[in-house]
Amino acid sequence: KNQVEQSPQSLIILEGKNCTLQCNYTVSPFSNLRWYKQDTGRGPVSLTIMTFSENTKSNGRYTATLDADTKQSSLHITASQLSDSASYICVVSASGGSYIPTFGRGTSLIVHP
Amino acid sequence: DGGITQSPKYLFRKEGQNVTLSCEQNLNHDAMYWYRQDPGQGLRLIYYSQIVNDFQKGDIAEGYSVSREKKESFPLTVTSAQKNPTAFYLCASSIGHPNTYEQYFGPGTRLTVT
Repeated sequence: KNQVEQSPQSLIILEGKNCTLQCNYTVSPFSNLRWYKQDTGRGPVSLTIMTFSENTKSNGRYTATLDADTKQSSLHITASQLSDSASYICVVSASGGSYIPTFGRGTSLIVHP
Repeated sequence: DGGITQSPKYLFRKEGQNVTLSCEQNLNHDAMYWYRQDPGQGLRLIYYSQIVNDFQKGDIAEGYSVSREKKESFPLTVTSAQKNPTAFYLCASSIGHPNTYEQYFGPGTRLTVT
């Protein structure tokens, strides 16, 4: 069964600090992995997408890494801002087989001033 | 502006009533989806449609119904048969296969049934 596990479930950091969110998956065969940001009461918005051959991808202060061998991804946020407070969702897609991507439960990040 | 719209943002209904949630997109996307989100849980797929006049059940379709008469529209009806309808409902669309193409999400509708 395809599964996506995210950790930690929630995280509180001070403004300006860095943090790293983790995503482990068992989706196979792997096609791509996306990180979404979801503000409270809003729809998710894509931050990055990574394919099998990509190890690192950045989007401003967000940097995603992918280790396809260990089936792990991380999302690193640098110099956090109050606006980074949101839920971050890892979504993994398989090639062939299941039509629909597998969603993680998300990590809730709170950035305090 | 291109995008996905959902209306209303907040919806309140009495138990036993059917209610229809609206989802419209002007992105010219072929595929559309409905997800349900509960606190502390990941998004769960209710229904999806790959083309007009065709749709398939997702993981939690019981108590829900959909139609896809137009490419732009994919309304979701929450029937009285849905035992726990109170949730945040998200509509999404993609230009093609979601394992290849990004899903774009609407702003969501929060449904409260009392």
